[in-house]
Amino acid sequence: ELKVEQNPLFLSMQEGKNYTIYCNYSTTSDRLYWYRQDPGKSLESLFVLLSNGAVKQEGRLMASLDTKARLSTLHITAAVHDLSATYFCAVDGIDNTDKLIFGTGTRLQVFP
Amino acid sequence: DVKVTQSSRYLVKRTGEKVFLECVQDMDHENMFWYRQDPGLGLRLIYFSYDVKMKEKGDIPEGYSVSREKKERFSLILESASTNQTSMYLCASTPLDGLAGYFGPGTRLTVL
Repeated sequence: ELKVEQNPLFLSMQEGKNYTIYCNYSTTSDRLYWYRQDPGKSLESLFVLLSNGAVKQEGRLMASLDTKARLSTLHITAAVHDLSATYFCAVDGIDNTDKLIFGTGTRLQVFP
Repeated sequence: DVKVTQSSRYLVKRTGEKVFLECVQDMDHENMFWYRQDPGLGLRLIYFSYDVKMKEKGDIPEGYSVSREKKERFSLILESASTNQTSMYLCASTPLDGLAGYFGPGTRLTVL
């Protein structure tokens, strides 16, 4: 059974600081996604990582994928309040299906 | 710029009622998903469909069924609603080529 685990589950950080969110998954997959969810809202796609070593960056967020370690990271650089949200990673392509399984989410709060 | 819509944002039903949740996407995506989101449990996959009239069970299909008669529409059915089905229900669609998909706004269902 595929398991997708994120840590930390909660993250409170000061503006201007850097931090990394980790996403581990238990079964081989070459496709990993990061989504953002604001309170009371639906999920919005941030990054799609489709191969080992893939790195994507958008603003203060950078995502990477290591398929051999079954690990993805979401790195936050010089955090700002607008980044406060819940971040989910998700994996699909398991057993040649498009079944999309999500991690537990990381709730990020950035304070002044 | 409508992509994925869900029939209701908020719904209140009574125990034992039959409940229909509708999801429509306008991007011609092959895959569609139903998740429920509960505090502390992240997003859990109920059912997904990779083609018209095709469906696959997710991790928590008990008490639910689905229907996909047309490519753009994926319905979630609660045959006999129970209080433990009170949750936020999210529909998503993704293309076959591994690119990220889109989520609907969610339906917050309360079963009394």
